[in-house]
Amino acid sequence: SELTQDPAVSVSLGQTVTITCQGDSLRSYYGSWYQQKPGQAPVLVIYGQNNRPSGIPDRFSGSSSGDTISLTITGAQTEDEADYYCNSRDTGGQRVFGGGTKLTVL
Amino acid sequence: EVQLVESGGGLVKPGGSLRLSCAASGFTFSSNTMNWVRQAPGKGLEWVSSISSGSSYMFFADSVKGRFTISRDNAQNSLSLQMNSLRVEDTGVYFCARERDQYGEFDYWGQGTLVTVSS
Repeated sequence: SELTQDPAVSVSLGQTVTITCQGDSLRSYYGSWYQQKPGQAPVLVIYGQNNRPSGIPDRFSGSSSGDTISLTITGAQTEDEADYYCNSRDTGGQRVFGGGTKLTVL
Repeated sequence: EVQLVESGGGLVKPGGSLRLSCAASGFTFSSNTMNWVRQAPGKGLEWVSSISSGSSYMFFADSVKGRFTISRDNAQNSLSLQMNSLRVEDTGVYFCARERDQYGEFDYWGQGTLVTVSS
């Protein structure tokens, strides 16, 4: 199945932004969020319902409802400008990524 | 410190083969499912394949099924991806990533190795 994300989102510095990810697999499996900056490997920022790995600022949070998961950045910083991808397990043992959301901090 | 280091990328002609490796350190390699994820130039992430901790289960994206095989050597802390019948659309950076069981997240990633399929 597929995970659908908005291709691009913008936020003013210090404001709050929410990025969403929708797909059937999210009704059955937990989703996770990754931040990727140009030329770098992805970094896990949110997993499970709303868990942050150590080192991820607490301005990053997650939520889930039905077939949709959301990543919220409260008080966006310039360093948060990046591509964000969602991911989950899928039927038949596969895994799936969303198409990615390019976040611009204005 | 968990480290994943990919190697084996390079330039190959369409129809050719390539074997990627991922050397793992800093954790008990035999405890985790491992994955390969790729990214075509300027495009998003695409999951490629996964292998369970004891190699009992292997899964592949439809786009590579029948052409790629995944394997691991828990004694050597290494993960491999054998890529055959390569196509131009297989071009991209290939990352190995560690998966955790409870929520299925990919918590550690390597820096990637570039595969270019071109005549």
